[in-house]
Amino acid sequence: DTEVTQTPKHLVMGMTNKKSLKCEQHMGHRAMYWYKQKAKKPPELMFVYSYEKLSINESVPSRFSPECPNSSLLNLHLHALQPEDSALYLCASSSYGTGVYNEQFFGPGTRLTVL
Amino acid sequence: AQTVTQSQPEMSVQEAETVTLSCTYDTSESDYYLFWYKQPPSRQMILVIRQEAYKQQNATENRFSVNFQKAAKSFSLKISDSQLGDAAMYFCAYRSPYSGGGADGLTFGKGTHLIIQP
Repeated sequence: DTEVTQTPKHLVMGMTNKKSLKCEQHMGHRAMYWYKQKAKKPPELMFVYSYEKLSINESVPSRFSPECPNSSLLNLHLHALQPEDSALYLCASSSYGTGVYNEQFFGPGTRLTVL
Repeated sequence: AQTVTQSQPEMSVQEAETVTLSCTYDTSESDYYLFWYKQPPSRQMILVIRQEAYKQQNATENRFSVNFQKAAKSFSLKISDSQLGDAAMYFCAYRSPYSGGGADGLTFGKGTHLIIQP
């Protein structure tokens, strides 16, 4: 299984709502990533988890709260978002280590709209 | 910090012909990894090809090949015998091998939208 799954595919939320994005992989990867991609822009790294511990936080606002409850699952909790947070949120996973063959496998993304 | 530049926002090619997408990057590191990813309208990012900086031989994957010029910091992608299914946004990406956490994110260029004319 070389698939990264993300749910939901689409999410519409108000600025006062609390919601969560879910990402799952069963490839035995121990590194997982969240990226944010605005329309017609490249993905931008938000967070990296290594062995279920947060290893990189790219100065993301606290209204985004990541969680890695186990080695297969990655969540992104959302609270009090702004309309400018509307974007495609991509999850990726890879083997731990920075060799060239530790490629990142991406999920299909969650399209988030904040009203 | 590393930067990746793709100077062609959009390219168009006739089906069955060859097209080359450009990518340049800036880094002070001597070793690093470069990638081309494809993102079709379905949004799923798919790895097309990868290159290690210390390997001088250009990577090849079926109809996809790269021209890696380390001194010029250039990493172009050549697609031969273009097919309709190649239509997508193509991103050039850089990854450093020097990550204390053992995992590091990708730095992407702005992308090139490839159109295949039937």
